[in-house]
Amino acid sequence: SQQGEEDPQALSIQEGENATMNCSYKTSINNLQWYRQNSGRGLVHLILIRSNEREKHSGRLRVTLDTSKKSSSLLITASRAADTASYFCATDDDKIIFGKGTRLHILP
Amino acid sequence: DVKVTQSSRYLVKRTGEKVFLECVQDMDHENMFWYRQDPGLGLRLIYFSYDVKMKEKGDIPEGYSVSREKKERFSLILESASTNQTSMYLCASNDPGTGLGGPQHFGDGTRLSIL
Repeated sequence: SQQGEEDPQALSIQEGENATMNCSYKTSINNLQWYRQNSGRGLVHLILIRSNEREKHSGRLRVTLDTSKKSSSLLITASRAADTASYFCATDDDKIIFGKGTRLHILP
Repeated sequence: DVKVTQSSRYLVKRTGEKVFLECVQDMDHENMFWYRQDPGLGLRLIYFSYDVKMKEKGDIPEGYSVSREKKERFSLILESASTNQTSMYLCASNDPGTGLGGPQHFGDGTRLSIL
């Protein structure tokens, strides 16, 4: 039962540039979360935005949520090599459902 | 920090074997989860547990069972391993105060190969 779908599937940018990833979902949600997964490791929770919130910041991360369009975006500003990872959105409409992820590669 | 520990990073087993994957968390979380992660398919929920001895099927429970005898430990069992169960298995836990859909803490995964 796939809910969130990330776009693009893969993204390569130069170090220092901003990276934007998008997530679309199908049904109403309680909250939307973003996770990061480094190669060969588990997922790490980055940020949660509730359905009644429109924007949230955490350090170099900015998340927006548009419930009318059923979409969210994750912006990473001033990217670094250490940001190279896969990023997943996860929607909560009772339990978490993960998307398939965006693979982000930061070029030196 | 919450620590979720999976007993093995890599595991190789043979078809037909009974396989046990162990997961331990140190934050007294009541909710625990088992996922498998496959290329192109993302994370899929196998089973979850919201209390000791309690379990609920996820999206793909066939061929798997689980055991939760102690709060901190959640085991995934492959009753008779098959090659299509070769995958990365991820365990997670979360605080019930955040609901089943709250932020989850993951272990580093077990990459299981069935030959």
